[in-house]
Amino acid sequence: QLQLRESGPGLVKPSETLSLTCSVSGDSISDFNYSWVWIRQSPGRGLEWLGHVYYGGSTHYNPSHKSRVTISTDTSKTEFSLKVKSVTAADTATYFCARRSVRLGAFDVWGQGTAVRVSS
Amino acid sequence: QSVLTQPPSASGTPGQRVTISCSGTDSNLGSNTVNWYQQLPGTAPKLLINTNNQRPSGVPDRFSGSKSGTSASLAISGLQSDDESLYFCSTWDDLLNGPVFGTGTQVTVL
Repeated sequence: QLQLRESGPGLVKPSETLSLTCSVSGDSISDFNYSWVWIRQSPGRGLEWLGHVYYGGSTHYNPSHKSRVTISTDTSKTEFSLKVKSVTAADTATYFCARRSVRLGAFDVWGQGTAVRVSS
Repeated sequence: QSVLTQPPSASGTPGQRVTISCSGTDSNLGSNTVNWYQQLPGTAPKLLINTNNQRPSGVPDRFSGSKSGTSASLAISGLQSDDESLYFCSTWDDLLNGPVFGTGTQVTVL
């Protein structure tokens, strides 16, 4: 059974880069039927899509964050990562990785989420 | 930055039917199918309804979804205490060229 697990620091200083990894177990991310997504959730902004990475490495980002966000996969295709540069307090949120099914058009598997706080 | 509008709360007594609305625009709900998610406190969202009205395996048939034009709704019949949770809708937005989410509705079982 596919499982996703986020990992990374829970505290990041303002202006630094937030880096998170999503480890995928139970399946490969080398599958055209899915895309691999980062979503964040905060009390003030609700749920917010940050971007996708597809098999082959192509990416698609939320235009609101495109200049600061990078999503990539590793060469072994068992994890994908998120980087958000120049963070501010507004980037404080719970970050989720998820799988989006092309067929369903829905996020059918989610990680448990990891809380990130931006503070000096 | 939630694009889809939901009522912040809904409630009912055990056994009752509760309906949650989700309102969007032509570029999102008006053009694409809707999905619904359930999020228990401190946990990840769980896919509850996909493609307007399809229940993934394991989701009770007490949950049902519908969509018409730029609006969608989730109905919970035979309300149970375990249904007390946050529910939110989601769809694709053609202008954003990405997924958008609802503001979320907290369901309380009285």
